[in-house]
Parts: sequence; C-alpha cells; structure tokens
Amino acid sequence: GAVVSQHPSRVICKSGTSVKIECRSLDFQATTMFWYRQFPKQSLMLMATSNEGSKATYEQGVEKDKFLINHASLTLSTLTVTSAHPEDSSFYICSARDSGSGNEQFFGPGTRLTVL
Amino acid sequence: QKEVEQDPGPLSVPEGAIVSLNCTYSNSAFQYFMWYRQYSRKGPELLMYTYSSGNKEDGRFTAQVDKSSKYISLFIRDSQPSDSATYLCAMNSGGYQKVTFGIGTKLQVIP
Repeated sequence: GAVVSQHPSRVICKSGTSVKIECRSLDFQATTMFWYRQFPKQSLMLMATSNEGSKATYEQGVEKDKFLINHASLTLSTLTVTSAHPEDSSFYICSARDSGSGNEQFFGPGTRLTVL
Repeated sequence: QKEVEQDPGPLSVPEGAIVSLNCTYSNSAFQYFMWYRQYSRKGPELLMYTYSSGNKEDGRFTAQVDKSSKYISLFIRDSQPSDSATYLCAMNSGGYQKVTFGIGTKLQVIP
C-alpha cells in the first residue's frame, strides 16, 4: 500500500518550453500533496503544498506563476514548470499524505528535468 | 544554524557491521521523526516513523529519539550491500506541519 507514482520519470526540454509533471496516489486518497526539488548533494527542498480543491501554498522564494500546481482530484496533483530555463534543471519529487491515516508522507519516484 | 543537521558522509562499512546514523535538531517543537532511504535517482522510501522520545525496532532497523538532547539515531544491524543508499532524517511538529529534512548521509556497505 501507500504507492505514489510520478510521470514522466525523465524529461529533456528546450529552454522556454513548459513541462507538466503528474503525481498520483495509487491506492489511497490524498487531500494534501507536496512538491519538492532536490539538487545534487542537497536535501529535499519543499516548493509548495498542494491541497485538493484549493490553491497551493508556496514556500518563500518559489514563484507561483512559474511553478503552476493543480490538485484537481484526491489522487492527482500536477506541477507545470512554465518557460523552463537551464537553472530549473533538477530532480522534482512529489509526496502524498494519506487522508485516512496520520502524518506520514509517501514519496513518488521523482522526475529528472533537464532544460537545454 | 540549520534546523536539522546531518553529516553527509560518505560512510563506508564492511558487510555485517552495525551502522549508526544520526541527526541533531534545534526546534524543540518537533515531535514526529522519520527516516527515509533514498537510492540514487529515486524517490525517498519511508523506513521508520516515530513519535516523541524512545526506541522503535523494525527488523534490522532501530530508530531512537532523545528529545532532551535533540538527537535522533537510526541503527542498521547486519548491514548488507543492498543497504547502500542515502539515508535522510526528517521531522515535524505534527498536525500536518511542514516536514524538515536533513541533507542525508550516504552509506556504502562493502561486500
């Protein structure tokens, strides 16, 4: 149980294009999902908290107009990186909290984004 | 000072050794403590989840929390090459508050 999937696992795009990453909770409902970014040899940095049916809450320094988050259902959240630039290249990981249980977060496998 | 401090390693041990991984923290409000294992280019996998001070054991893994010292540990007994990964500590104050992660300790178990 508690499986979270992400798609795509890897994406390479040209500078200026937009990229959408999907995060799905496969066997549980998640009213709250989280988007993290991880640079090499650094820890997970929370970008935003995604709440089903409402606007995402962004961490300080994260541009909400650049990183669009949509949490349209209890099992799906999407992160769209708009007008991507090489400095956006990173490992993006989502996590989900099981609405029916407690505080634990379960992570997806991550998406490696490379912007050329 | 970071809220959570963790030695990034790398830590190399021979197969079968007992591994000790540690984190210190500064926020006394933290009550929930987690350990995640992350293989290269993969998402973190939840290993242990504990509340407040004390010990929790699961197979070869034991998590310890000492809130008085703001110090948490993960012990791995009879370490295996498959345990080679980065281990991240994480914690929050509960109530669905933001989770703060350590930088992760890279562990290598040598056959």
